[in-house]
Amino acid sequence: DTGVSQDPRHKITKRGQNVTFRCDPISEHNRLYWYRQTLGQGPEFLTYFQNEAQLEKSRLLSDRFSAERPKGSFSTLEIQRTEQGDSAMYLCASSLGGWGNQPQHFGDGTRLSIL
Amino acid sequence: DQQVKQNSPSLSVQEGRISILNCDYTNSMFDYFLWYKKYPAEGPTFLISISSIKDKNEDGRFTVFLNKSAKHLSLHIVPSQPGDSAVYFCAMRSSGDKLTFGTGTRLAVRP
Repeated sequence: DTGVSQDPRHKITKRGQNVTFRCDPISEHNRLYWYRQTLGQGPEFLTYFQNEAQLEKSRLLSDRFSAERPKGSFSTLEIQRTEQGDSAMYLCASSLGGWGNQPQHFGDGTRLSIL
Repeated sequence: DQQVKQNSPSLSVQEGRISILNCDYTNSMFDYFLWYKKYPAEGPTFLISISSIKDKNEDGRFTVFLNKSAKHLSLHIVPSQPGDSAVYFCAMRSSGDKLTFGTGTRLAVRP
């Protein structure tokens, strides 16, 4: 079990630039989730996939955000035209969905800083 | 509106004593409840969970209690150890498979 892997760990970019993050879930997990965490808050749900299908998106996810999981394995989260308010920790999690109550297991996140 | 509240931002406990962390919620549709531990510069690590049909679940030093009528979740750690010092988040699942988290409680276990 290699755990959930996220890349990069840190990203610093200028306002208005596009950024893309990658998440590799635990290999046998069919569900993959994206969350965002800001200072002093708990993680907030953004979206999740079962295999390659995106099943739910939060209203927090503006149209500048897009997530994909093209082959049902790794996922990417892209933010276009970044804004100061996008600065946060972006967390990815995975689970074995459809098998009763299964916990979500998190990666170590990508910290995004907008200059 | 904040559906999940952890009203104590911090807690300090002597090593060997019991740590009790609390969480209150408002959404009666939550059906699965979890606790995560988070160290600095790491993602949340799953600790223990409980489904809505139970009121207690134990795993070693960790016990989670669910009081559905009071909409209250708690985590007991006994005995507490210095390595337990971290931020603890409660999380709850409602529709679909998304989790709603509390704001966290920072636990410090004094040697």
